[in-house]
Amino acid sequence: AQSVTQLGSHVSVSEGALVLLRCNYSSSVPPYLFWYVQYPNQGLQLLLKYTTGATLVKGINGFEAEFKKSETSFHLTKPSAHMSDAAEYFCAVSEGLGAQKLVFGQGTRLTINP
Amino acid sequence: EAGVAQSPRYKIIEKRQSVAFWCNPISGHATLYWYQQILGQGPKLLIQFQNNGVVDDSQLPKDRFSAERLKGVDSTLKIQPAKLEDSAVYLCASSLRDNGTPLHFGNGTRLTVT
Repeated sequence: AQSVTQLGSHVSVSEGALVLLRCNYSSSVPPYLFWYVQYPNQGLQLLLKYTTGATLVKGINGFEAEFKKSETSFHLTKPSAHMSDAAEYFCAVSEGLGAQKLVFGQGTRLTINP
Repeated sequence: EAGVAQSPRYKIIEKRQSVAFWCNPISGHATLYWYQQILGQGPKLLIQFQNNGVVDDSQLPKDRFSAERLKGVDSTLKIQPAKLEDSAVYLCASSLRDNGTPLHFGNGTRLTVT
């Protein structure tokens, strides 16, 4: 069975600092991996996804994530945090084509300090 | 394109009452999902439709929850009778197909059961 673990339910960084949100997964087959962002009182918005091919994936708003099979990780990074990045971030896994059942992590709340 | 529409945005009911949520997916999206997001947790899939057929309802508490997608477009999710632990945000999402295409989420319905 698939599962996702996000390390740290809360992460706080200063504006302009590096953002690193950690995600580890377990899957019995090559996974599809996703990062979603949720702003207050809104639904989830796709930031980026990994399916096949290049392991470094670039997403919207300057975010990127790297798929590391040996570490079963898919950490999300952004070189310089902006106040507008404050939100809840969810990592999710699905078991590939034809299996769109996403399993989400518990989320990481990102706070940006001025 | 118009996004996924959900109503109502908020609902407060007493335990043992019934409640219904409505979702209108993005036009042309064949796949529709209902997720339950309890405070502090990631979304959990309740049910997935492909057109008007159920693909996966393995995590739907069928003794109290029901969902339908008549005509393969709009969908309703019903809870009867509600329990305190049903307090959550109910998210509807749709995707063009069930093959790794991105999910588009609505803003959700926040249910409070007192």
